[in-house]
Amino acid sequence: QQPVQSPQAVILREGEDAVINCSSSKALYSVHWYRQKHGEAPVFLMILLKGGEQKGHEKISASFNEKKQQSSLYLTASQLSYSGTYFCGTEKGSWEGAQKLVFGQGTRLTINP
Amino acid sequence: KAGVTQTPRYLIKTRGQQVTLSCSPISGHRSVSWYQQTPGQGLQFLFEYFSETQRNKGNFPGRFSGRQFSNSRSEMNVSTLELGDSALYLCASSLSGGTDEQFFGPGTRLTVL
Repeated sequence: QQPVQSPQAVILREGEDAVINCSSSKALYSVHWYRQKHGEAPVFLMILLKGGEQKGHEKISASFNEKKQQSSLYLTASQLSYSGTYFCGTEKGSWEGAQKLVFGQGTRLTINP
Repeated sequence: KAGVTQTPRYLIKTRGQQVTLSCSPISGHRSVSWYQQTPGQGLQFLFEYFSETQRNKGNFPGRFSGRQFSNSRSEMNVSTLELGDSALYLCASSLSGGTDEQFFGPGTRLTVL
């Protein structure tokens, strides 16, 4: 039930691009992306909904393939501040707005100058 | 506006004891979710509360319980602590759950000796 993230870790130089993938074996209603820096709480990046709606920060881009139950987070022209662990959280669908996110194991991104 | 606050920030308990953690959501937020974060298991969903009702529950034993008050503040209780309960416990609030953005608190670091 837990989504699978890949890669588990990636090291980039500042300015390079990265793609983080999230796959689920279950049909999904939404995919949520969060970033957590060491010693800090996770911070919201983006939500992608079945049907194509997206909610999130303008500088972050992501895709959601409903048929394949996959989502990808695109980090372009990476900055040092992008370093951290990225989590995808998946939701199968909710009744009356109930929320239950199942998070992947995380992808550790390190940006070097 | 003030963010999500959690108290206490650190706790040390011994096996067999019980513990209560507190979470105050962002003003106006009615949904509160609890997560357990460990290096081995990642971020795991415990439960979600909305308007004093538990709407969703993760796969944790009955020793883990929670409640929400009329002002949306939430508490989580763990009884008969085990060594494996050592973890960072995060709470997150959102306006009404569902596909809303979650705002995480700084967490309570629980160590069970």
